[in-house]
Amino acid sequence: AQSVTQLGSHVSVSEGALVLLRCNYSSSVPPYLFWYVQYPNQGLQLLLKYTTGATLVKGINGFEAEFKKSETSFHLTKPSAHMSDAAEYFCAVSVGRKTSYDKVIFGPGTSLSVIP
Amino acid sequence: NAGVMQNPRHLVRRRGQEARLRCSPMKGHSHVYWYRQLPEEGLKFMVYLQKENIIDESGMPKERFSAEFPKEGPSILRIQQVVRGDSAAYFCASTEGGHSANEQFFGPGTRLTVL
Repeated sequence: AQSVTQLGSHVSVSEGALVLLRCNYSSSVPPYLFWYVQYPNQGLQLLLKYTTGATLVKGINGFEAEFKKSETSFHLTKPSAHMSDAAEYFCAVSVGRKTSYDKVIFGPGTSLSVIP
Repeated sequence: NAGVMQNPRHLVRRRGQEARLRCSPMKGHSHVYWYRQLPEEGLKFMVYLQKENIIDESGMPKERFSAEFPKEGPSILRIQQVVRGDSAAYFCASTEGGHSANEQFFGPGTRLTVL
């Protein structure tokens, strides 16, 4: 069964500093990996996803993530934090079957605060 | 607005009452997923439905909870005889197809409070 861990339930960075949110997964087969962002009182929005191909994935709002199979990781980064990045971030995994469905498993989330 | 719609946004019920949560997927989407989010926790999968079919209900509590997605109209998540532990935010998401790689589009959620 798939699972997701996110190291650090709360992360604070200064405006302009590097953002690094950690995600590790467990999956017995090649996974699909996702990062979603949730702003207060809103639903989740997809930032980026990895399915196959290039392991460095670029998403919206300047975020990117790198799939590292050997480390079973999919950490999210952004070179320079902006105040508007303050939100809850969720890493998620599903099984990478090409022809069928599997449910998406979400991590517990990391709350990002950006300090002016 | 062609996004996923949920109503009501906030719902207050007393213990023992019924809660009905509605979700209208994005236009053209026929796959709906329901999740529950407790404070300080991530989203927990509850059920996956296509039109008139429940595909995966492995995350649904065995009692008091049910879901449907009729041929016409929104998907409904129904909680009978609510208890305080049911207080949570309930999100639905929709996809165009059922493949695992599809982006899920989320609604704004319904926040259920059980008094």
